[in-house]
Amino acid sequence: EPEVTQTPSHQVTQMGQEVILRCVPISNHLYFYWYRQILGQKVEFLVSFYNNEISEKSEIFDDQFSVERPDGSNFTLKIRSTKLEDSAMYFCASGGDSQETQYFGPGTRLLVL
Amino acid sequence: AQSVAQPEDQVNVAEGNPLTVKCTYSVSGNPYLFWYVQYPNRGLQFLLKYITGDNLVKGSYGFEAEFNKSQTSFHLKKPSALVSDSALYFCAVRGTGGSYIPTFGRGTSLIVHP
Repeated sequence: EPEVTQTPSHQVTQMGQEVILRCVPISNHLYFYWYRQILGQKVEFLVSFYNNEISEKSEIFDDQFSVERPDGSNFTLKIRSTKLEDSAMYFCASGGDSQETQYFGPGTRLLVL
Repeated sequence: AQSVAQPEDQVNVAEGNPLTVKCTYSVSGNPYLFWYVQYPNRGLQFLLKYITGDNLVKGSYGFEAEFNKSQTSFHLKKPSALVSDSALYFCAVRGTGGSYIPTFGRGTSLIVHP
């Protein structure tokens, strides 16, 4: 069964450093998403991406964040200058239709020191 | 604004007993409702969804959920729990107009005791 994959599984970085989180969505999906989950808290929507552009974004997704689909398979989330409060689990998801089920990857646990 | 409440942080049940994980929601218009499960060190796995039709929805691993419009609830149920069902369960809702982005609940930890 096809699944969403994410790399790395864990990343530790210093405050102020740039990080890039990578995702490979399910191959025939057209809609891509990033979410985050701070430890013990809700899963929070960050951004959705369709047709090579952002379709929706939340208040969390400020100028420090960017997304890119650099080729036909990868979908990346970049945090330009990490803050302590960016420490969280980041989930990528993809969907074949904007109105239907989103399939999630295993997540990247980001720790900012 | 749409919201989801999962009133129980943790649900404990003995193996073989029925289980219920509660979810209530608030949304404009008709809801799309989802349940996901998260096992340790894994992503969220889709269990089931309600879009329209029968209020009782059957999903993966023997789980089902009942949509109750008057009570704005979508409780997850299973007739006979397994130890392997122990995981974190998330309810999510989105409306049918405007944003297609779901809002997730805080999650409920289900612990099934042998």
